Amino acid sequence: KAGVTQTPRYLIKTRGQQVTLSCSPISGHRSVSWYQQTPGQGLQFLFEYFSETQRNKGNFPGRFSGRQFSNSRSEMNVSTLELGDSALYLCASSLGAGGMETQYFGPGTRLLVL
Amino acid sequence: GESVGLHLPTLSVQEGDNSIINCAYSNSASDYFIWYKQESGKGPQFIIDIRSNMDKRQGQRVTVLLNKTVKHLSLQIAATQPGDSAVYFCAENTGGATNKLIFGTGTLLAVQP
Repeated sequence: KAGVTQTPRYLIKTRGQQVTLSCSPISGHRSVSWYQQTPGQGLQFLFEYFSETQRNKGNFPGRFSGRQFSNSRSEMNVSTLELGDSALYLCASSLGAGGMETQYFGPGTRLLVL
Repeated sequence: GESVGLHLPTLSVQEGDNSIINCAYSNSASDYFIWYKQESGKGPQFIIDIRSNMDKRQGQRVTVLLNKTVKHLSLQIAATQPGDSAVYFCAENTGGATNKLIFGTGTLLAVQP
C-alpha cells in the first residue's frame, strides 16, 4: 500500500505570495492532519480534517487554511507569505479520527520564503 | 534577527548497546502516546505507540514504558544499530475525539560503529 504522498516536495516563494500544498493520504484513510516543523519551534499542529470537515485547529494565524476533498485528499494554503513561514510542512493520515489513531506521515514539503 | 533553534539533546551509543530515550509529556489527561523516528530529509516514521491504560508495550527491538505518575515516557532500543541513528520524538494525544498530537523537542540518537 502506498504511503502518504505530498506535493510538491520543495518550493521557493517570495514574501507576500501565497502557496498551496497537497497531501494524498494512505488509501482508505479518512483523517488528515497538518504540522509545521521548524528548527525554532519543532513540530506544531496546524489543523485536522475528517470527512471534509475541519475538526481541530492549532494556534496559527488565519493566513493558514486548509480543506479536504471527498476522496480524503487535503490541501493547505498559506497566504501573504512571511519569512517565518519557511518550514517543513508535514501531512499525516489515519484511518479515523477517534483520538487513538496511528498517524502516518508523508515526506513533507519544504517551503523556503525569500 | 538571528533565530535560536531548539537545542536537541543527543544520546551517543556504541553499536550493539541498548539505548534509552526519555520524554516528559505535558498533559496529565493525555491518553495515547507515540514514538516517531525522523531521519534527515524524511518525515517522521511511526515506531510504537501505547495507551494510557498500559505501562509497557514491546515491539521488535523496541519497548515503550509509560509512567503516568511522573508523566514520563521512555523508548528502549535493544542492540542499537547504525541505521537507528535519527531524531526520536515522543508525541501525546491529549484525549477526546481529535487526532491532534503534541510533540516533544526530540532526541538525536547517534550510533557509533
